[in-house]
Amino acid sequence: AQSVTQLDSQVPVFEEAPVELRCNYSSSVSVYLFWYVQYPNQGLQLLLKYLSGSTLVKGINGFEAEFNKSQTSFHLRKPSVHISDTAEYFCAVSPGGQGGSEKLVFGKGTKLTVNP
Amino acid sequence: KAGVTQTPRYLIKTRGQQVTLSCSPISGHRSVSWYQQTPGQGLQFLFEYFSETQRNKGNFPGRFSGRQFSNSRSEMNVSTLELGDSALYLCASKLGTHNYGYTFGSGTRLTVV
Repeated sequence: AQSVTQLDSQVPVFEEAPVELRCNYSSSVSVYLFWYVQYPNQGLQLLLKYLSGSTLVKGINGFEAEFNKSQTSFHLRKPSVHISDTAEYFCAVSPGGQGGSEKLVFGKGTKLTVNP
Repeated sequence: KAGVTQTPRYLIKTRGQQVTLSCSPISGHRSVSWYQQTPGQGLQFLFEYFSETQRNKGNFPGRFSGRQFSNSRSEMNVSTLELGDSALYLCASKLGTHNYGYTFGSGTRLTVV
């Protein structure tokens, strides 16, 4: 079984500052890793995903994440945030490959608030 | 192309009633999953359907059920509603059996009073 821990429930930052949202996972098998963003009263939008290959993954809206297998981490970063990045961010994991349980396991989420 | 469509967007029901939520996946997607999102429990997996067959089920009571039709549209039903069933119910679709490529709908906000 997989599990995900998002270490910070809330992260306040000032506009144009860098931000890192932390995510650690636990799994006995290879995994796929994802970051989703949720704006108020909306569904989940995929920011980026790690399936295999390069450990540095670039996503939409200037976000990137680095897969670190030895530390079982997949932290999300952005060098300069905007007010519009204010939202809740979810890290998720699923078993690598196809078949199997085919469900996403989510962390509890991190609320990012960007202040002017 | 159209995204995942969930109807209705908002719903208010009374304890003890039943409710049916609908999800239309992206055209060509054959897999549909359902998740419940609450402030206390976060995002929890309900069930997943592929080609009209339930392939996986989360840890929810039997009051929660679902089905998928031949056109891949899916419905979930909750019977004998409880206050704790108030949540945002999210549907996600994907093309095949790989464990990635999920696209989520905007959700149905269910309030039980």
